[in-house]
Amino acid sequence: AQSVAQPEDQVNVAEGNPLTVKCTYSVSGNPYLFWYVQYPNRGLQFLLKYITGDNLVKGSYGFEAEFNKSQTSFHLKKPSALVSDSALYFCAVRGLIRRGQGGKLIFGQGTELSVKP
Amino acid sequence: ETGVTQTPRHLVMGMTNKKSLKCEQHLGHNAMYWYKQSAKKPLELMFVYNFKEQTENNSVPSRFSPECPNSSHLFLHLHTLQPEDSALYLCASSRQGQGRINEQFFGPGTRLTVL
Repeated sequence: AQSVAQPEDQVNVAEGNPLTVKCTYSVSGNPYLFWYVQYPNRGLQFLLKYITGDNLVKGSYGFEAEFNKSQTSFHLKKPSALVSDSALYFCAVRGLIRRGQGGKLIFGQGTELSVKP
Repeated sequence: ETGVTQTPRHLVMGMTNKKSLKCEQHLGHNAMYWYKQSAKKPLELMFVYNFKEQTENNSVPSRFSPECPNSSHLFLHLHTLQPEDSALYLCASSRQGQGRINEQFFGPGTRLTVL
């Protein structure tokens, strides 16, 4: 079965420091991985995805993620954190697809990122 | 904005009420989804519609009834809900088919409180 795990409920970072939000996955077949961000009282916003190709994926707002097949990880990173990056971050994996079905996503439990000035 | 709108943004209802949540996407997508987001729990996929046909019902109780009249609109009809159904209900859409692996675009959600 497809699944993702985000081992940290909360990550605290000082503004200007690099940040990492961790995600590990378990899939049957090729992994299709996504990161989303949720600001308070808002829906989820797409940040980036890994389908194939380069292991380092660049996304919105200066975020990037590194796909590591041997460690089954897809950690989200940013070289220099901003206070405005404080939000809830979700990792997701594409669920198993049956013919004719839409592409459902399976989400991790989320990691609360707090960036302090 | 993501191109996916949801109304109402907030809803308070009693257990005997009947209400509906509405979702509309302006992106030309062909797949739409309902998710439930409860505190301290992962997002739970409820329903998937592909080209207006329901392709997944994730063991959702019958007090939740989806409707997809066309590829742009998705409803969630609610009746005789329980207090534990209080949550943020998120709608999403995506373009599927022809081998595409596309991201989903989410609406802002409806915050539902069942008294």
